[in-house]
Formats: sequence, C-alpha cells, structure tokens
Amino acid sequence: DAKTTQPTSMDCAEGRAANLPCNHSTISGNEYVYWYRQIHSQGPQYIIHGLKNNETNEMASLIITEDRKSSTLILPHATLRDTAVYYCIVLRTNFGNEKLTFGTGTRLTIIP
Amino acid sequence: GAVVSQHPSWVICKSGTSVKIECRSLDFQATTMFWYRQFPKQSLMLMATSNEGSKATYEQGVEKDKFLINHASLTLSTLTVTSAHPEDSSFYICRAAGTSGRNEQFFGPGTRLTVL
Repeated sequence: DAKTTQPTSMDCAEGRAANLPCNHSTISGNEYVYWYRQIHSQGPQYIIHGLKNNETNEMASLIITEDRKSSTLILPHATLRDTAVYYCIVLRTNFGNEKLTFGTGTRLTIIP
Repeated sequence: GAVVSQHPSWVICKSGTSVKIECRSLDFQATTMFWYRQFPKQSLMLMATSNEGSKATYEQGVEKDKFLINHASLTLSTLTVTSAHPEDSSFYICRAAGTSGRNEQFFGPGTRLTVL
C-alpha cells in the first residue's frame, strides 16, 4: 500500500474550516484514500473515503487532486469535539476487511 | 449505525495473570476481526488478523502464544493476554469488518490494560 505523509500537528480556531493535508505520491490508480480520526482514549472513527472524485458526507469533505498524489480533508465548521488525531490511509480496496496500517497522523487541536 | 463493543473497558491486573478482552459486533456479521494495541503517544499497531473459524494471523514481532486470539463466531472475538507483565500495559482496540459490500468496518472503543 502507498505510504502517506501528514503534518504532525495543526491548530484551527473553533467555527473555522479545518483543512488537513495528506501526501500520497506513490498511490496506485486503483487505491482508495481513507480518513479516520481518534479522539483521546477512544477507538478510531471512520470519516470518509474516496477514489478519484471529491466526496462529501455529514462529517467532512474530501478533496483529491487530479493527479491523486495528495488530498485534503475539510471539516467545514470545526468544533472543540473535533480535537483528535486524524489519519490518512491508502487502501487497495473499499471492502471493509483489508488491513489498516496507521501512520503517525495529524494531531488537530481546535482552539476556542 | 453499526456498533462494536469491547469488554472490559479497562482492567488492572497483577503481573503473571491472564486477561481476556472481548470484542463483539452488535448488528452485523464480522467475518474478520483485527486486534491493535496502542502505547501512550503512539499510533495504533496491528497485532493480528482473524477470520471466523480460522487461526489468527499475527504480525511480525507479536507472540502468538502470549496473545491468544479466538474468533469462534461471527459476532465475537477474544484476545487473551497470557501471563501479563507491566510492558503489556497498553490500549487494546479491536476492529470488526463484514463482507456485505457496504464497507462495514468499525472499531471498538478500546480496552485499557494496566499490569501492576
């Protein structure tokens, strides 16, 4: 699976949009980009995933560049409860039973 | 939505004892269960993968005789830490995955193990 690179930490003001970048320059054409987050002392939570097109759900938006070498997770109106570690992961399938390998992620802190 | 539960949520035990952690998928059939552990300020590390009715596949460096995994049904997997030692103190998290084609995959809330 392609490796990903994320900033170690980011801050965002409450109510503003949080934009979390991820580089996956070695991604293959059939690999998906997944985002998860982990709030302190809890299990990870699935946020969103995509292949080529931009995606949006009730939690976030995912913007994937045309060359697919990077993506951005957008939390449109960040709240204090969005403080967490965010992980960007590249997977070969969109089935649920593939191994997930977590990197170090981005620690997002929402500032009141 | 789907829920995966873990029991207990936290446990404190003496060195040398064994601890069993349960992971249950509450509203879908989990054909595959993954077990992770997470040390403080570190990322999740995959320990093993188990398919219902089969032996678990362990990641490199994880002792299969120390971390016993059972996945006897489509809704329950257990991880037993045998002869636990202080260095086994960690946050253990399961992930349950189904194959209904709806990308079902959910993590449990985690179990905090402290070995004295």
